[in-house]
Amino acid sequence: DAGITQSPRHKVTETGTPVTLRCHQTENHRYMYWYRQDPGHGLRLIHYSYGVKDTDKGEVSDGYSVSRSKTEDFLLTLESATSSQTSVYFCAISEPGAEAFFGQGTRLTVV
Amino acid sequence: AQSVTQLGSHVSVSEGALVLLRCNYSSSVPPYLFWYVQYPNQGLQLLLKYTSAATLVKGINGFEAEFKKSETSFHLTKPSAHMSDAAEYFCAVVHGSSNTGKLIFGQGTTLQVKP
Repeated sequence: DAGITQSPRHKVTETGTPVTLRCHQTENHRYMYWYRQDPGHGLRLIHYSYGVKDTDKGEVSDGYSVSRSKTEDFLLTLESATSSQTSVYFCAISEPGAEAFFGQGTRLTVV
Repeated sequence: AQSVTQLGSHVSVSEGALVLLRCNYSSSVPPYLFWYVQYPNQGLQLLLKYTSAATLVKGINGFEAEFKKSETSFHLTKPSAHMSDAAEYFCAVVHGSSNTGKLIFGQGTTLQVKP
């Protein structure tokens, strides 16, 4: 299995609070991604990174920000959590032209 | 814009029966296509990928998929279902012609295998 660790694995937070999810890789892959998984929607891309400090928006980026200060770490921040951000969040990594490898996911509940 | 459509959100088969999960894509460029499997409370695992080599792609666990450009399809099959195949399956296409690896996913198909 690719070395991808997501933390925390589960989190419950209150509406309006900031939340940060962490993705850590040991594979030295260039690309890192954050997806959210919701029933009936499959997985949708939130943000991705193509290098240290190089990030770009995905399909559903509103309300989210990311940072990548080191090759191995990619952080996803919900600035002010809302109930619509209750979801399962997956981090993925890949090399150019190759398949993506996924982490185990973080289940986030916003109450 | 690229998109992926999986026909049937739930498919139920008997153990030993043929598994057929349907995926159609739209893409303005030659696509890279993938099938991933997700077991309960786990991440996604790559089953197989098409990257413009052979049109019939063999994957893990006895699954295979055939790329048909004329039908814009990439259906997933397995000759004989096993109980352990029960999971959710996702078809995906790489977004655009760039090399960024961004994936566009279908909605997913849950496979139920009955004894």
